[in-house]
Amino acid sequence: GQNIDQPTEMTATEGAIVQINCTYQTSGFNGLFWYQQHAGEAPTFLSYNVLDGLEEKGRFSSFLSRSKGYSYLLLKELQMKDSASYLCAVMDSNYQLIWGAGTKLIIKP
Amino acid sequence: NAGVTQTPKFRVLKTGQSMTLLCAQDMNHEYMYWYRQDPGMGLRLIHYSVGEGTTAKGEVPDGYNVSRLKKQNFLLGLESAAPSQTSVYFCASNVDITQPQHFGDGTRLSIL
Repeated sequence: GQNIDQPTEMTATEGAIVQINCTYQTSGFNGLFWYQQHAGEAPTFLSYNVLDGLEEKGRFSSFLSRSKGYSYLLLKELQMKDSASYLCAVMDSNYQLIWGAGTKLIIKP
Repeated sequence: NAGVTQTPKFRVLKTGQSMTLLCAQDMNHEYMYWYRQDPGMGLRLIHYSVGEGTTAKGEVPDGYNVSRLKKQNFLLGLESAAPSQTSVYFCASNVDITQPQHFGDGTRLSIL
């Protein structure tokens, strides 16, 4: 079966750095997406990785290792507004997205 | 530019009732999707469409039907609602299947 694993919840301090991991086992691989979802709101796109390596976008970076079936989302200089759920999704061989359950990130002052 | 608009935002139904959820996008996207989101689970694909007049089943299609008569609209129907269909429903669209999906604000549906 296809599976995406992420930690259920993480806590970090304002101004710090946090790394949210995602491991996957899917039928084929056509890219990995990270989305942010604030409570009660729609998911919004953060990043996309299809090749191994690090993609940087301001305070957010995403890393992919296809051989290890592993990705992480790195958030720097955490702000209170970063409190949200972070969703990892992998596009399989049929170009369908398989979604993880999400990691709820709690930022403390 | 509204993006993806879902109506209604909230709805309470009784078991056995029927209803239709409407999704409208103004980005001229070919691909549209209906998901449900339940606590502790990832988004699950119900049905999707690769263009006007086409629909296909996703991971959890049972109990739902869809139609895409116009490119900008994607309708999700519940013929006979069941308590197990209590969920938050999201519509999404993208210009190409490999591109990021844009989501609507969701419909919170409770079935008693």
